Amino acid sequence: GESVGLHLPTLSVQEGDNSIINCAYSNSASDYFIWYKQESGKGPQFIIDIRSNMDKRQGQRVTVLLNKTVKHLSLQIAATQPGDSAVYFCAENFPKNNNDMRFGAGTRLTVKP
Amino acid sequence: EAQVTQNPRYLITVTGKKLTVTCSQNMNHEYMSWYRQDPGLGLRQIYYSMNVEVTDKGDVPEGYKVSRKEKRNFPLILESPSPNQTSLYFCASSLGTGINQPQHFGDGTRLSIL
Repeated sequence: GESVGLHLPTLSVQEGDNSIINCAYSNSASDYFIWYKQESGKGPQFIIDIRSNMDKRQGQRVTVLLNKTVKHLSLQIAATQPGDSAVYFCAENFPKNNNDMRFGAGTRLTVKP
Repeated sequence: EAQVTQNPRYLITVTGKKLTVTCSQNMNHEYMSWYRQDPGLGLRQIYYSMNVEVTDKGDVPEGYKVSRKEKRNFPLILESPSPNQTSLYFCASSLGTGINQPQHFGDGTRLSIL
């Protein structure tokens, strides 16, 4: 079946560097994507979202890029801080399947001081 | 503060002993959902509810029940828990579904079934 996946299960970066977390999706009909952050012992927390009619969206220190040609989504975190250490995962919305939301397994980001 | 509250946060129990995990949201959201999270897998939907008295199966509903008698509450019931239901469970809610309707999650309930 179609699924949301991730290229890298773990990512380690130096404090102050930029981080890029990737996500591949397979359903070309997906119309909405979300990035979540999950800290240890907590539930997923909404970071940023993007609609399929956009290719870039910026928030505070975060940018999401959407490449529909290759069905690829990325989350860029600028000037990564220790508080950014968490699991990040993407989700895609399937409008033709009753707006079913599918979640990737996640990438663990570790920020080294 | 807008939140989704789950109880209990942790539970260790034995096979066959009925248990209920409560979920409550204070955002007047119509959509609520239960997920389980297992290592290496993404969140998998157990059941969801589009509104009061409207519930439907997700991807992994076997062994679970839910009810939606009030808008704010969406309890998850394990009538006869088994060890394969040991997992981390999340309740989520949103105003609706689809574009611009991100789900808000509780902090999770870790269940261990011995």
